[in-house]
Amino acid sequence: AQKVTQAQTEISVVEKEDVTLDCVYETRDTTYYLFWYKQPPSGELVFLIRRNSFDEQNEISGRYSWNFQKSTSSFNFTITASQVVDSAVYFCALSEDTGGFKTIFGAGTRLFVKA
Amino acid sequence: NAGVTQTPKFQVLKTGQSMTLQCAQDMNHEYMSWYRQDPGMGLRLIHYSVGAGITDQGEVPNGYNVSRSTTEDFPLRLLSAAPSQTSVYFCASSSLILTDTQYFGPGTRLTVL
Repeated sequence: AQKVTQAQTEISVVEKEDVTLDCVYETRDTTYYLFWYKQPPSGELVFLIRRNSFDEQNEISGRYSWNFQKSTSSFNFTITASQVVDSAVYFCALSEDTGGFKTIFGAGTRLFVKA
Repeated sequence: NAGVTQTPKFQVLKTGQSMTLQCAQDMNHEYMSWYRQDPGMGLRLIHYSVGAGITDQGEVPNGYNVSRSTTEDFPLRLLSAAPSQTSVYFCASSSLILTDTQYFGPGTRLTVL
């Protein structure tokens, strides 16, 4: 069965600190897709990134970066120089489908960034 | 494009009442899903559809019915509401080939008293 574990329930940092959100997944599929979503206090779900199981290249997008390691079944997310606007709940998710259909979500990590 | 729309945004029901949460998308996506979000549990899949006339159960289907008569619409019916169904409900759509992710609606916050 597929499973996504986000062990960090809440993280609190001071603005400009770097923070890493951990994600560990379980699947028997050889082809799968990993996602990160952001849920700000307003409640909508914002797509951040998708990574397929054949692409272990790390990715950087501005202050965001992602480290995918199949050997440890991890897909960690780092925010560099955090800002108050980064305060949100972040979900890691796993799907067997490229579009994220029938996605399994982790429980989420709530990030507080204090000014 | 309006994307994925959900109505209502908020709803309060009494135990035993029935209601339908509406979901519509204008992107011609084949796939649509319903999730519920409870505190500390992330999102869990209730029902999904791979096309008009085809639906199937997800992780937590009990107490809910769905139908998909058109590509655009995917309503979720609560047959007899229970307090355990108090949650935030998200509808999502995606295309097998054309999208990087599911597109989520804004959510419906449901309270069952």
